[in-house]
Amino acid sequence: AQKVTQTQTSISVMEKTTVTMDCVYETQDSSYFLFWYKQTASGEIVFLIRQDSYKKENATVGHYSLNFQKPKSSIGLIITATQIEDSAVYFCAMRERNNYAQGLTFGLGTRVSVFP
Amino acid sequence: EAAVTQSPRSKVAVTGGKVTLSCHQTNNHDYMYWYRQDTGHGLRLIHYSYVADSTEKGDIPDGYKASRPSQENFSLILELASLSQTAVYFCASSDPGPGDSDYTFGSGTRLLVI
Repeated sequence: AQKVTQTQTSISVMEKTTVTMDCVYETQDSSYFLFWYKQTASGEIVFLIRQDSYKKENATVGHYSLNFQKPKSSIGLIITATQIEDSAVYFCAMRERNNYAQGLTFGLGTRVSVFP
Repeated sequence: EAAVTQSPRSKVAVTGGKVTLSCHQTNNHDYMYWYRQDTGHGLRLIHYSYVADSTEKGDIPDGYKASRPSQENFSLILELASLSQTAVYFCASSDPGPGDSDYTFGSGTRLLVI
């Protein structure tokens, strides 16, 4: 069974700095997909970025990037030049290629607070 | 724009009563899901469906039923609501493919059982 663990419950950072969040996962499948989602204060769940396990390059989208360390089963999220509106709860999630029907497995989330 | 719409946005239900949460998607996706989120926690899968007229149990199905009458619609049913079912419920749709973000989430339904 797949499992996703986020050990950091909350992080506070100053605006315009970089924040890094950790996520480790467990899976028996050799092929899988890793996702990061953001949940805003209104409760909306927004997709941020995705890493496919067979890709060696770290994914980057805007000011979001990933630190994918496959041997360590780790997928960290890096947000550079943070803005106040980056304050949210960030969820790591995964899906096994051979277990598509059962959807995503989520971590418990990391709350990020960005201060001016 | 393709979307997942949940109704109601919030609901107060009485213990022992029946509650139906509705979800409608315009993504033309085959897969639909119901997740539950408790305060301070991630999302947990309740039921899912990959074809109309068929549903499957997720990780925490006890106390919940699901119904998928059409590709577009997926309902979550609490036959006898209990206090422990107070939570926020999210519906999602998806289809397998190489593109990013193959999951689209609804805005959530906040359920309070009293």
